Amino acid sequence: AQSVTQLDSHVSVSEGTPVLLRCNYSSSYSPSLFWYVQHPNKGLQLLLKYTSAATLVKGINGFEAEFKKSETSFHLTKPSAHMSDAAEYFCVVSYGSSNTGKLIFGQGTTLQVKP
Amino acid sequence: GAVVSQHPSWVICKSGTSVKIECRSLDFQATTMFWYRQFPKQSLMLMATSNEGSKATYEQGVEKDKFLINHASLTLSTLTVTSAHPEDSSFYICSALTGGIRGKNIQYFGAGTRLSVL
Repeated sequence: AQSVTQLDSHVSVSEGTPVLLRCNYSSSYSPSLFWYVQHPNKGLQLLLKYTSAATLVKGINGFEAEFKKSETSFHLTKPSAHMSDAAEYFCVVSYGSSNTGKLIFGQGTTLQVKP
Repeated sequence: GAVVSQHPSWVICKSGTSVKIECRSLDFQATTMFWYRQFPKQSLMLMATSNEGSKATYEQGVEKDKFLINHASLTLSTLTVTSAHPEDSSFYICSALTGGIRGKNIQYFGAGTRLSVL
C-alpha cells in the first residue's frame, strides 16, 4: 500500500532564509512523487514531479526536491524564502497502476514566511 | 502548463436544491478527470474518477446518487450535488489528467468551487 506523511503541519521561516518541508512516503514499488502548492481559496499548482529519472528534481519558483530511496524521503527545499511562498504545500504520491493517475495526498504543511 | 477551468468559483444555495459544478480542460483533452473534496485546514479527499464516455468510479464512502458525475466530452466533466444539505458545504476541486506530448499522469487542478448550503 502507498502512503505519504508530511512530518510538519506548520513551518515558519523568515524571508530570505532556507525552506525545508519534509515528506516521507511508503510505496510497494517505484513511486511517482509530486509537490503541489495551494494558496488560500485556490486550486493546486504543480511545483515539481519525480518519476524515476534524476533524483534531484528542480521545480518552479526556485523549489527543488531530492528523492532518497534509502530514506524513503522526498523533501522540498528552497534556498531563500519569499513572502509569496506562504501557502499550503502537499506532498503527493501516485498509486495504482501508472495509468490510473490516482493520487494520495499528505496532510499538508502550512508555510509561514515572516518579514 | 495545462489549464483547467472550474466554474463557479463560489456558490450559495438553499438546502434541498441541486448544484452543478463544471470542470473544463481548456487546452488539452482529458479522458480522465478527478473530483476532490477539501474540508477546512485539511487535505484533499478523492471522491471519484470521471472517465469520458463511461460511468464514474466512486471512492468508498462517497454516495454516487448524491454526487452525480457526468463526463460527456474530452474537455468537460460536471459534478452535481443533489438535494444539497449544510453538511455538503465544502471546497470541491477538480483535476484533469494529461497525456501525450504534455507528459503522462500529471494532474492539473482547477481553482476550486466553494459550496455553502444554507
